[in-house]
Amino acid sequence: DTAVSQTPKYLVTQMGNDKSIKCEQNLGHDTMYWYKQDSKKFLKIMFSYNNKELIINETVPNRFSPKSPDKAHLNLHINSLELGDSAVYFCASSLVSGTDTGELFFGEGSRLTVL
Amino acid sequence: GENVEQHPSTLSVQEGDSAVIKCTYSDSASNYFPWYKQELGKRPQLIIDIRSNVGEKKDQRIAVTLNKTAKHFSLHITETQPEDSAVYFCAASLSNQINTGTASKLTFGTGTRLQVTL
Repeated sequence: DTAVSQTPKYLVTQMGNDKSIKCEQNLGHDTMYWYKQDSKKFLKIMFSYNNKELIINETVPNRFSPKSPDKAHLNLHINSLELGDSAVYFCASSLVSGTDTGELFFGEGSRLTVL
Repeated sequence: GENVEQHPSTLSVQEGDSAVIKCTYSDSASNYFPWYKQELGKRPQLIIDIRSNVGEKKDQRIAVTLNKTAKHFSLHITETQPEDSAVYFCAASLSNQINTGTASKLTFGTGTRLQVTL
């Protein structure tokens, strides 16, 4: 299926642990994103990569480190997890042509629970 | 940076009635305004969008209006159905040419939980 897929879908872990979430898109898009959705449903951009290059880096603790090995993959590694990191993390991709903004295609989300 | 406000936070309508959700944005340079629908436990999905060179756009029961002068835009759903129940997000963005890349920095509103009752 053509889609944005992310794993794992659910992640329950203890405070202080390190965890990773992986994302892959086979839509041929050149830009990928990580969004965080908290318990109040606020959707906030964290990072964006365009052709493996970091383009957007919002005010996110440096415990969060994205990595894009190629333009179809964008992973998120989180060190020293804290209770406040509990959220749903959405990967997304878009095709941005020139200055024309493209539709965001979201993955199914990864629900992270930090105990 | 861009700030998007969205109202109301919850909206309950009877089936067949209309629903209106309103958003305001702060950056007059924003040029793209999409609306996303998120059903319970699902991913957000684009339902309609409008660009700054257009004042209104319609797609079946859904319409969006944009007032650039006032910096606000609205989503209108007519003849609501139970399957319209979801959280709706407005967003605003300006494509940025940064270094060698271009990215769409969508700033989302806080969401409106729409409940369509029978």
